[in-house]
Amino acid sequence: DAGVIQSPRHEVTEMGQEVTLRCKPISGHNSLFWYRQTMMRGLELLIYFNNNVPIDDSGMPEDRFSAKMPNASFSTLKIQPSEPRDSAVYFCASTRSDTEAFFGQGTRLTVV
Amino acid sequence: AQSVAQPEDQVNVAEGNPLTVKCTYSVSGNPYLFWYVQYPNRGLQFLLKYITGDNLVKGSYGFEAEFNKSQTSFHLKKPSALVSDSALYFCAVRDFMDSNYQLIWGAGTKLIIKP
Repeated sequence: DAGVIQSPRHEVTEMGQEVTLRCKPISGHNSLFWYRQTMMRGLELLIYFNNNVPIDDSGMPEDRFSAKMPNASFSTLKIQPSEPRDSAVYFCASTRSDTEAFFGQGTRLTVV
Repeated sequence: AQSVAQPEDQVNVAEGNPLTVKCTYSVSGNPYLFWYVQYPNRGLQFLLKYITGDNLVKGSYGFEAEFNKSQTSFHLKKPSALVSDSALYFCAVRDFMDSNYQLIWGAGTKLIIKP
């Protein structure tokens, strides 16, 4: 298995633009997590899905952020409109009941 | 409420000396416990886990951790530190009864190994 795959690896966008981050979890994993990491706030859980259903989105900063998981092999995190304070590294991770969580390499987002 | 505490923001160790990175936890049920490492500009990598069984767990890169139920701790250890062990280390816990497999994370400890 190729592991958790995130795209793009780097994204630079202008303030106000829409940004979409993508994640392909490991096949057979039924939980998926989106995290954000910054120097100031550390690792923050944004939202997680279980069997494609959003369970807890209390970590989503505001309505500009949305996440979907249309099927077991794909998830997106969208920011619209983006702001400079959204600049961070965004990680996706997946797991199943008897394993540890596996992380993708992350997407480094810079909003200018 | 479930929580994880990593009481030290940073740990400094001389190369060749033993190292310990501390973690304590609080969960309502039985814990699954994990350690992850993050190198600069990389994702989090799994190091080791405790699910059940032997309290001493061995993992990648010569690391080990000891589950102590009475002290609710899961400290990460290595007998002889390498400069290449310098990284950010995260402890995480999951409640065995949590069917959503949500992980609770510590804030991370920066480990610096000096030559």
